[in-house]
Amino acid sequence: NAGVTQTPKFQVLKTGQSMTLQCAQDMNHEYMSWYRQDPGMGLRLIHYSVGAGITDQGEVPNGYNVSRSTTEDFPLRLLSAAPSQTSVYFCASNLGQGRQETQYFGPGTRLLVL
Amino acid sequence: AQSVTQLGSHVSVSEGALVLLRCNYSSSVPPYLFWYVQYPNQGLQLLLKYTSAATLVKGINGFEAEFKKSETSFHLTKPSAHMSDAAEYFCAVRPRSGGSNYKLTFGKGTLLTVNP
Repeated sequence: NAGVTQTPKFQVLKTGQSMTLQCAQDMNHEYMSWYRQDPGMGLRLIHYSVGAGITDQGEVPNGYNVSRSTTEDFPLRLLSAAPSQTSVYFCASNLGQGRQETQYFGPGTRLLVL
Repeated sequence: AQSVTQLGSHVSVSEGALVLLRCNYSSSVPPYLFWYVQYPNQGLQLLLKYTSAATLVKGINGFEAEFKKSETSFHLTKPSAHMSDAAEYFCAVRPRSGGSNYKLTFGKGTLLTVNP
C-alpha cells in the first residue's frame, strides 16, 4: 500500500489564481480530511468527508472547496488564492469510527501564495 | 467543545536526559488521546494512543504516556533522549461518541531539541 499520497509537494501561486491539491489513499478508508499547518497554530481542520459523496466543513473552511466522488480521492480546491493561504497542507484518512482508529497522514503540500 | 493545551512550545534537553512533553485536555468526557511526531519536512506519524484500556500507554521509539483523569493530562515521556528524537510533537484528542467522534483536535505542538 502506498498509504496517503499528496501532490504536488510544493507549489507557488499568485494571488487570485486557483489550484487543486490532490490527495489519494489506497486503504479503502471511509474518512478523509484536510488540515493546514501554520507555525505556532498546530493543525487546523479545513474540510472532511465521512464517505463518497459526503463532505462537511471543519474549523477553517473559508476559501476552500472539496468534493468526494470516490472513496480513494479527496481533492482540495483553492478558488482564488490569497497570501493568508500560504501554509503546509496535510491530507489524512482513517477507516471510520471506532476507538482503535488511527489517522494516517500524507507527506504534505507546501503552498506559497505571493 | 474539546480542546488541547500543550505547555511549552519549545523544550530543549541534553542527550540521555529525560524527555517530558506536557499535554492537558478539556472535555466533559475523557476523550481518546493521541501523540503524533513530525520530523522536519515530513508528515505526522502516530507515536501512541489512549483508547481506555491501560492508562500507561507505550508507543514507538521508547516513548510512553500516562492518562491521568484527575489531572486531565496525557504527558509524553522518554527516559533517555536521543539525537534522533529531535522533532515536533503534537497532542490530539477525539471525542468518544457523538456525531463528530472521528474528528481530531490538535494542540499547537512542542518542538523538542536534543543537545549533544
